[in-house]
Amino acid sequence: QKEVEQDPGPLSVPEGAIVSLNCTYSNSAFQYFMWYRQYSRKGPELLMYTYSSGNKEDGRFTAQVDKSSKYISLFIRDSQPSDSATYLCAMSGGGATNKLIFGTGTLLAVQP
Amino acid sequence: DAGITQSPRYKITETGRQVTLMCHQTWSHSYMFWYRQDLGHGLRLIYYSAAADITDKGEVPDGYVVSRSKTENFPLTLESATRSQTSVYFCASSESFTLRAFFGQGTRLTVV
Repeated sequence: QKEVEQDPGPLSVPEGAIVSLNCTYSNSAFQYFMWYRQYSRKGPELLMYTYSSGNKEDGRFTAQVDKSSKYISLFIRDSQPSDSATYLCAMSGGGATNKLIFGTGTLLAVQP
Repeated sequence: DAGITQSPRYKITETGRQVTLMCHQTWSHSYMFWYRQDLGHGLRLIYYSAAADITDKGEVPDGYVVSRSKTENFPLTLESATRSQTSVYFCASSESFTLRAFFGQGTRLTVV
């Protein structure tokens, strides 16, 4: 079983829709949770960063972490065609488990 | 320019040859990582380094060698390339144990 599981999609939505992307994980030592966005043939870029449980909002993006359920989410409001990309969740434990582990990524297409 | 750069961007090599992929960062980040990205597998950690002269294996280290004699450089060597090592390789760096990583633009390696 992988430490981080993510539905690969693809996910296709109309412009303006609310998008929900999710990951589950098995390692309870993870404390730092990130979402990366990767456009085709580019390197991943950091989108959101959260420590421990809770919500974090940045413009149209909201990241949620539920450590009790080992479940993290990224919500995109008012989605735009420019949001079309692969979204990867990532997490790490810090300290003795200083490895950054990624999900497989979800391919999102926002249709104009 | 500040950032993280990988070279070469594209490489074709033959089975059995030794290949070295270069990674250089200008932020003086302590942590550096090498990932490979393959369809259906997402980003998989090959090796990582917490500081100069400190390296450790990731998820898929077999067939790869790394070194880190200077903080800013983290080369990845394929000792005897195999077709299964055809992939896109990403180098990343991070400032601290929180592991918010920043990625290079990738090296697309083809082994024929």
